[in-house]
Amino acid sequence: DGGITQSPKYLFRKEGQNVTLSCEQNLNHDAMYWYRQDPGQGLRLIYYSQIVNDFQKGDIAEGYSVSREKKESFPLTVTSAQKNPTAFYLCASTGGPPQNSPLHFGNGTRLTVT
Amino acid sequence: SQQGEEDPQALSIQEGENATMNCSYKTSINNLQWYRQNSGRGLVHLILIRSNEREKHSGRLRVTLDTSKKSSSLLITASRAADTASYFCATDAGGLGGGKLIFGQGTELSVKP
Repeated sequence: DGGITQSPKYLFRKEGQNVTLSCEQNLNHDAMYWYRQDPGQGLRLIYYSQIVNDFQKGDIAEGYSVSREKKESFPLTVTSAQKNPTAFYLCASTGGPPQNSPLHFGNGTRLTVT
Repeated sequence: SQQGEEDPQALSIQEGENATMNCSYKTSINNLQWYRQNSGRGLVHLILIRSNEREKHSGRLRVTLDTSKKSSSLLITASRAADTASYFCATDAGGLGGGKLIFGQGTELSVKP
């Protein structure tokens, strides 16, 4: 079955540590996205990539970094510079322009930093 | 700032009743999409309506779009307990968003059996 796999489902880290969230898709989609979801605030865009080896900052990129070395993979690193990293992180992909093509989402990674 | 804002933030109804959720946005759009999210899961695409469409149906879902009022509504008819979820609208920015979709804060729907 085609889809998006995010791992792990739950992640716990100590403050000051970098952590990398995995996102893999086998849908052959060009574009991939990372969103952050906090209670009552909906989804906010962190980074997106429309093609391999290229990515753009979203609305809340500070304290995060990404890479897009392969079409199927778009890992997100939450660095120690991110002041409030505890959140639910969602990865998505789309096969065409997002204004015309639905996003396919993974089931998220819940990150807790203490 | 949020492009899309849903109203109400929370809605509780009995099974069999209809549920209506509204979305307002600020800039012109190419299309508007509705998504559903079950608790602790990813979002699932429900329906896409283009800026030149006024109404669209999919099963028990009916979406309307009023570009003059910059608003959309999602109607779920004959609701079921399994419809309990959060519902989000998402918009582009008329193609000026550089490939981004912007989500609203969502409406949390509770359908009581």
